[in-house]
Amino acid sequence: QKEVEQNSGPLSVPEGAIASLNCTYSDRGSQSFFWYRQYSGKSPELIMFIYSNGDKEDGRFTAQLNKASQYVSLLIRDSQPSDSATYLCAVGRDDKIIFGKGTRLHILP
Amino acid sequence: DGGITQSPKYLFRKEGQNVTLSCEQNLNHDAMYWYRQDPGQGLRLIYYSQIVNDFQKGDIAEGYSVSREKKESFPLTVTSAQKNPTAFYLCASSIVGDTQYFGPGTRLTVL
Repeated sequence: QKEVEQNSGPLSVPEGAIASLNCTYSDRGSQSFFWYRQYSGKSPELIMFIYSNGDKEDGRFTAQLNKASQYVSLLIRDSQPSDSATYLCAVGRDDKIIFGKGTRLHILP
Repeated sequence: DGGITQSPKYLFRKEGQNVTLSCEQNLNHDAMYWYRQDPGQGLRLIYYSQIVNDFQKGDIAEGYSVSREKKESFPLTVTSAQKNPTAFYLCASSIVGDTQYFGPGTRLTVL
C-alpha cells in the first residue's frame, strides 16, 4: 500500500516565525509532489508543486524535496495568523495522487 | 470565469434514499475525481475518470456510482447501499497526471 505520512499536529508557531511542515512517502517511484492548504470547512487549494530534488520558492513558501530520503517539506516564512489551516501533502505517480491526512498548523498571534 | 463548481453545498439524505451530487468544470480538463473526507481524515478516492464514457473505481467505491457522459460533468450518486454516507465530498479535475484542482465541496448529512 502506497502511503503518505504527515504528523497530524497541531503545530503551533509564533507569528513571524518559520513554520516547517514535513511529509514522508513510501513509493520510490513517485514523480510529483504537492502541498495544499485547507481551511476548516473549505476545499483544499494548491500552494505549491515540486518535481525535482532541491528547493522551490514562491513568496513566503518554500517546498523542499529529497527523493533519496523520500521526504518533502514546506517552509512558511514570516508566518501569519491567516496561515492557520490544515496542510495536505500529496504525492503522485503516473495518473494517481495519494494524499496524506494533513498537519494542522496554528499560528499564535 | 474558469473553475469547478459543485452543487448543492449542503445536502440531507433520508435513510434508503439515493442522492446525486453535481460536479461541473470548464477548465477543459480530461480527468475528474471524487473524494470523500471525514473529520480528521485525509482524502479518500471514490471514483475517477480520465476520458468521457470511462471511469475507474477508487479505494472506496462501494455504495457509490458515477457517469461521465460529457467532459465537463462528473456526477456522483450516493446509493442506499452506502451505509455511512455522512461526509464532505470533494470533486477535483486535472490534466491527466498533473495538478488536481478542487471544487468547493458538498457536505452530505444523513438524517
